[in-house]
Amino acid sequence: AQSVTQPDIHITVSEGASLELRCNYSYGATPYLFWYVQSPGQGLQLLLKYFSGDTLVQGIKGFEAEFKRSQSSFNLRKPSVHWSDAAEYFCAVGAMDTDKLIFGTGTRLQVFP
Amino acid sequence: NAGVTQTPKFQVLKTGQSMTLQCAQDMNHNSMYWYRQDPGMGLRLIYYSASEGTTDKGEVPNGYNVSRLNKREFSLRLESAAPSQTSVYFCASSEFPGTDTQYFGPGTRLTVL
Repeated sequence: AQSVTQPDIHITVSEGASLELRCNYSYGATPYLFWYVQSPGQGLQLLLKYFSGDTLVQGIKGFEAEFKRSQSSFNLRKPSVHWSDAAEYFCAVGAMDTDKLIFGTGTRLQVFP
Repeated sequence: NAGVTQTPKFQVLKTGQSMTLQCAQDMNHNSMYWYRQDPGMGLRLIYYSASEGTTDKGEVPNGYNVSRLNKREFSLRLESAAPSQTSVYFCASSEFPGTDTQYFGPGTRLTVL
């Protein structure tokens, strides 16, 4: 069965520091991978997605993610975090043979000035 | 272009009352979804409609019913609300099920007393 694991429930970084949020998935078929961001009191917004091709994908707000098939991972990165990046981040996986996405439980990012 | 809209934004119910959450999308998407979000549990799929005329149970369907009224609208009904249904409810839509980006509404915050 499909599953998504976000091992870090809560991460705190200083503004300007680099960031990496981890996501591991379990699925036999070719995965379709997504990262979403949720600001407080808001719905989820797509940051980036990976379907095929280049394993390093660029998204909005300066985020990028790298698909590593051998590690079943799709980690989200940002070189320099801004205070406005404080939010909750969700990784999700889908596939051609399913009708739905499976979401991880989320990582809450706190940014200190 | 409003995207995905949800009504109401907030609702307080007493145990045993019924209500319907409304969702509409203007992107001509085929697939629509209802999730609930609870602290520490991420997003859990309640029901979904992969295409107009079909509905299927998700991970946590008990206590809920849905109607895909037409291609634009997908409603979620609580027949007899319970305190365990206190949550934030999100509607989402995508062009195709399983592999496509889901676009989320702003959410409905429901409290059941």
